[in-house]
Amino acid sequence: EIVLTQSPGTLSLSPGDRATLSCRASQTITSYYLAWYQQKPGQAPRLLIYGVSTRATGIPDRFSGTGSGTDFTLTISRLEPEDFAVYYCQQYGSSSYTFGQGTKLEIK
Amino acid sequence: QLQLQESGPGLVKPSETLSLTCTVSGGSISGSSYYWGWIRQPPGKELEWIGSVYYSGSTYYKPSSLKSRVTISVDTSKNQFSLKVTYVTAADTAVYYCASLVVTGEVEYWGQGTLVTVSS
Repeated sequence: EIVLTQSPGTLSLSPGDRATLSCRASQTITSYYLAWYQQKPGQAPRLLIYGVSTRATGIPDRFSGTGSGTDFTLTISRLEPEDFAVYYCQQYGSSSYTFGQGTKLEIK
Repeated sequence: QLQLQESGPGLVKPSETLSLTCTVSGGSISGSSYYWGWIRQPPGKELEWIGSVYYSGSTYYKPSSLKSRVTISVDTSKNQFSLKVTYVTAADTAVYYCASLVVTGEVEYWGQGTLVTVSS
């Protein structure tokens, strides 16, 4: 099973800042099956990015995903107040799915 | 767009069976675009994929000790799929989400989630 490790655990930034969230896999992720989700308290996660870099429907272009192999990054170019939440990466391979442990993005 | 809704008891006693059903609306569960899955999240912890089912009945489970206690099934006539977890313990206390998983691996639609507490 592929293990995903996200860093940092908590990121403290201000609105207008640039956020860079990392997701590292224990093995190479093939076929670009890497996604990112945003979760706010009391809500289900929301799909942001799939296929490493494709934004889901309705996701603003300040969200972008990059990476390959074992290292992936979610970047939020200019933080809006509504972006402060927990972010998870997720991979799919060999009919199995795993999630990272999450990065909490909090207001500084 | 699809809507998913979990239903089932919010409290289960230790050693008993947790049973949840997910009702899909806005589309047919028999479409080939999705797998139908269950994901759980213990309070304050990360997300854990439990398993998935295809409309044909093919199932896929997380390779873990949980696998031996889990059954996921689909009822295309009711546009529903279900989860059963046997011999539950306090460690099974979590918010359980049903979800649609695209064939390319991402979770596109989520239910609102239902908290299941295991306690006597």
